[in-house]
Amino acid sequence: DTEVTQTPKHLVMGMTNKKSLKCEQHMGHRAMYWYKQKAKKPPELMFVYSYEKLSINESVPSRFSPECPNSSLLNLHLHALQPEDSALYLCASSQETTISTDTQYFGPGTRLTVL
Amino acid sequence: AQTVTQSQPEMSVQEAETVTLSCTYDTSENNYYLFWYKQPPSRQMILVIRQEAYKQQNATENRFSVNFQKAAKSFSLKISDSQLGDTAMYFCAFMSNAGNMLTFGGGTRLMVKP
Repeated sequence: DTEVTQTPKHLVMGMTNKKSLKCEQHMGHRAMYWYKQKAKKPPELMFVYSYEKLSINESVPSRFSPECPNSSLLNLHLHALQPEDSALYLCASSQETTISTDTQYFGPGTRLTVL
Repeated sequence: AQTVTQSQPEMSVQEAETVTLSCTYDTSENNYYLFWYKQPPSRQMILVIRQEAYKQQNATENRFSVNFQKAAKSFSLKISDSQLGDTAMYFCAFMSNAGNMLTFGGGTRLMVKP
């Protein structure tokens, strides 16, 4: 059983909608991540929150905005998405220290469809 | 920048047999981590095995083992006594010791046949 949970499991939205994806980890980790995965492709990193500091993949469009209310929660706000944004969105977390990195553990993902 | 290559897009194996998935990577760093993740049709990305580059001993986890060849920059995964539940996409991944970014290979789709 995963200790990283994601809601919803599936989401269908129109291009004018605003929605949010939620991720929660119960392992006391200090780093959380959002990935986008298209079919038959590896995940692509979108955002990293580490010790409450955000790092962004500069290729990610501004219609995606992350929010980290606390160290165990990570949201991804969606606005004015395009059909090509349809994908599996994966959340991950790791116990990152200031001197080393650690294994990333993934949630089950949210399958997003943009109509 | 690091790159990870999985040269086998698809593989199949008979149940109970052994299969080896290949992975090569390119880096100028000396300290790093390597991972194999499994992603079954249920979509969950599951950690299979992890290897620290400073460790010469190959990592093992039950039926899963790796052959880590640091000089050759090779990190293959061996699955023994294959089971139907091993059917999945397998991703090899690299992480620098100095960062938190995972670099994934393109994946190998493994089918275990009864």
